[in-house]
Amino acid sequence: NAGVTQTPKFQVLKTGQSMTLQCAQDMNHEYMSWYRQDPGMGLRLIHYSVGAGITDQGEVPNGYNVSRSTTEDFPLRLLSAAPSQTSVYFCASRTRGSSAGADTQYFGPGTRLTVL
Amino acid sequence: DAKTTQPNSMESNEEEPVHLPCNHSTISGTDYIHWYRQLPSQGPEYVIHGLTSNVNNRMASLAIAEDRKSSTLILHRATLRDAAVYYCILRDPPGNTNAGKSTFGDGTTLTVKP
Repeated sequence: NAGVTQTPKFQVLKTGQSMTLQCAQDMNHEYMSWYRQDPGMGLRLIHYSVGAGITDQGEVPNGYNVSRSTTEDFPLRLLSAAPSQTSVYFCASRTRGSSAGADTQYFGPGTRLTVL
Repeated sequence: DAKTTQPNSMESNEEEPVHLPCNHSTISGTDYIHWYRQLPSQGPEYVIHGLTSNVNNRMASLAIAEDRKSSTLILHRATLRDAAVYYCILRDPPGNTNAGKSTFGDGTTLTVKP
């Protein structure tokens, strides 16, 4: 299994540009999430999904859109990039299993985004 | 969501035990307590979780207070590779409304001195 993959690894945008951060997982996990991590800070939940076709807002959703058309993919779209969105973005997935032992959350390697 | 409170930072000497505390006074009866850690320039990784009883695995031990309002992650012998940010989070069990929502705070930055 490749686990959780994210592309690109690095990206530089100009203010006002739009782009999509890709996230894919091959573990057939129902739950997927997007987080951002600003320098020296913890993780902030942007959006999450509990299954294909179902998404919901997290703690800091403004300026971002998501969709979940398949179980495997959960792209994050920046509508109009702003310098305040400079951050490291992590995608994560986990199973909705009934066993607590199956509840480990797996993270991708992250995308480092700079908005000038 | 029930919140957790952790110290911003802690220091330890190499080869000594480390006790990382977490307060979760508003925990509900069905919330699981999870710990993750984030090594420099990496995504977080799972460490351990529990519900009511103390738990041990190859990485660490988790001690849960009897009233479940606090827990402690125990690293029995800290190594330089254990220097990381440690997050204590609460998670709804499968089937609950917020089961898919997983929030992290700022965690505790552990520094290990040689």
